Amino acid sequence: DVKVTQSSRYLVKRTGEKVFLECVQDMDHENMFWYRQDPGLGLRLIYFSYDVKMKEKGDIPEGYSVSREKKERFSLILESASTNQTSMYLCASSFSGYTEAFFGQGTRLTVV
Amino acid sequence: AQSVTQLDSQVPVFEEAPVELRCNYSSSVSVYLFWYVQYPNQGLQLLLKYLSGSTLVKGINGFEAEFNKSQTSFHLRKPSVHISDTAEYFCAVSSGGYQKVTFGTGTKLQVIP
Repeated sequence: DVKVTQSSRYLVKRTGEKVFLECVQDMDHENMFWYRQDPGLGLRLIYFSYDVKMKEKGDIPEGYSVSREKKERFSLILESASTNQTSMYLCASSFSGYTEAFFGQGTRLTVV
Repeated sequence: AQSVTQLDSQVPVFEEAPVELRCNYSSSVSVYLFWYVQYPNQGLQLLLKYLSGSTLVKGINGFEAEFNKSQTSFHLRKPSVHISDTAEYFCAVSSGGYQKVTFGTGTKLQVIP
C-alpha cells in the first residue's frame, strides 16, 4: 500500500513561532503537494513540487515556504505562525498529473 | 486556468435511497477528473477517476460517475446509499503532466437512517 505519513496529527503553536510540518511518502512519487483545508473552502493548494529541489507556488503560498531535499520528503514551513494559519494541513503525493493523489492523515494545526 | 464547482455543500438522503452529487469544471485544455471521499478525521482517498475512454466510470463502494464534455460535468451517483457512506466528497480536476490538481469545496453527504 502507498503510504503518505505526516509527522503530527495535532499541533499547537504560539503566534510568531517557526513551524515545520513534515511529510514522507514511500512510493517514489514525483509529485508532492501541500494543501490547506478549511470548512466551506475545500482544499486549497499551498505549494507543490514535481522534483527534488523544485517547487511551484499554489493558490495561497503567502506566509508559507517549502523544502524538498529528498524525493520522499516534502516539508511545509510557517516562518512566523499566525492565528489565521490555524487549519487542517494535508500532504499528498502522486506519480504524475495523470494519476490519483495519495493523501496523508492530515495535521490539525492550532496557532494561539 | 482550471476550476471546479460543487454547488451542493450538504446533501441529506435517506438510507437506501439514490444520490447524485454534482460537479462542474472549467478548463481550457483536456482534463482528468477525480472524485475523492474523506471520512471524519481522515485524509482523502480516491473513489474513482476519469482519464479517457468510456464516459461512465465505476469506482469503489458502488459509486459511479459520468463524464459529460458538452456540459462540463462529472456528477457522482450511487443507486442505494448506506449509513457508512456518510462523509465529505470532493471533485478534482487536473490537466495532467506537471499541472496541479484543483479541488472543489466539497459536498457533505449525510445518510439518514
